[in-house]
Amino acid sequence: DAGITQSPRHKVTETGTPVTLRCHQTENHRYMYWYRQDPGHGLRLIHYSYGVKDTDKGEVSDGYSVSRSKTEDFLLTLESATSSQTSVYFCAISGDYEETQYFGPGTRLLVL
Amino acid sequence: SQQGEEDPQALSIQEGENATMNCSYKTSINNLQWYRQNSGRGLVHLILIRSNEREKHSGRLRVTLDTSKKSSSLLITASRAADTASYFCATAFDSGYSTLTFGKGTMLLVSP
Repeated sequence: DAGITQSPRHKVTETGTPVTLRCHQTENHRYMYWYRQDPGHGLRLIHYSYGVKDTDKGEVSDGYSVSRSKTEDFLLTLESATSSQTSVYFCAISGDYEETQYFGPGTRLLVL
Repeated sequence: SQQGEEDPQALSIQEGENATMNCSYKTSINNLQWYRQNSGRGLVHLILIRSNEREKHSGRLRVTLDTSKKSSSLLITASRAADTASYFCATAFDSGYSTLTFGKGTMLLVSP
């Protein structure tokens, strides 16, 4: 899986609690992405990063924040989780001048 | 909103048959990519076709692109049970680094 890990792999939390998902890569790739996957919606981009401390919003960024303090780590935070954020979250990476993306194994998040 | 839309949503065939999936998109693109997702796993890149290409092959995969109709098709020849997965098209607007916009996917079931 192209040297990408996600943690935790499964999480159950309650509405209103903060949640942080971690994506870690060993490929030294510049670009990192967070997607969510929901039935009937495919994959939708939440946030992405084009370098350390450089991030931008995707299609469904409301309720999410990200941080990237090191090349290898990209954190996704749900400040106050809601049931609508129950989903499978995927991290992906790509290198300079590389048009394809490599995906991590995903994190299943259930917000009760 | 989704840029790519796959058709059909689900496809069931027998081993040895060919499987064809279609993708339509809305705006001009630089390239279109196809990904596969096995149940419970991350996406895996299959093939990329650029806007100036009409057809591309990779093993048992054949991809076509018709920019005038804003559509692409993925053909898997001589399908195997191991091809059972969901298939997604993704579009990129720019060359080099670009975010991808994914469709909702086609679920392919290949029965022995």
